[in-house]
Amino acid sequence: DTEVTQTPKHLVMGMTNKKSLKCEQHMGHRAMYWYKQKAKKPPELMFVYSYEKLSINESVPSRFSPECPNSSLLNLHLHALQPEDSALYLCASSQWDREETQYFGPGTRLLVL
Amino acid sequence: SQQGEEDPQALSIQEGENATMNCSYKTSINNLQWYRQNSGRGLVHLILIRSNEREKHSGRLRVTLDTSKKSSSLLITASRAADTASYFCATGSGGGADGLTFGKGTHLIIQP
Repeated sequence: DTEVTQTPKHLVMGMTNKKSLKCEQHMGHRAMYWYKQKAKKPPELMFVYSYEKLSINESVPSRFSPECPNSSLLNLHLHALQPEDSALYLCASSQWDREETQYFGPGTRLLVL
Repeated sequence: SQQGEEDPQALSIQEGENATMNCSYKTSINNLQWYRQNSGRGLVHLILIRSNEREKHSGRLRVTLDTSKKSSSLLITASRAADTASYFCATGSGGGADGLTFGKGTHLIIQP
């Protein structure tokens, strides 16, 4: 299984809502990532988890809260978002100590109203 | 911060022609990767070239790396309509879990 899955595919939320994005992989990868991609822009790194511990936080606002409950699952909890947070949120995974190739999920397209 | 800069930003060619995209980066790297993205969906890894390699092939893809010029190129030969996508170069400093820094991307359109 070389697939990274993400749910939901689309999400519309108001600025006062709380929602969560979910990412799952069963490739035995020990590193997982969240990226944010605005329209016509490249992906930008948000968070990195390695061995289920947060190792990189690229100065992301606290309204985004990542969580890694186990080695296969990565969540991104959203609270009090702003309209400018509307974007495609991509999850990826990779082997920790081998190749740096990352495997991406299809993304969650988020619209904040 | 963005590491790679792709050139051109957009490219339109006829099916069957070759497409060449270039990428420049700023800092030292352990490897450089190319990814494809169709219509704002997930990215697909195409090829990885390490800093001690100069050229790499995979099917219709050929990647070159010039570390002295901090640049790379991706050549797609005998293009097909299905190659229509955005192509990004990405750099990592090594060690796996340090995240990737992507270039701005080249949007490739293959005209049938």
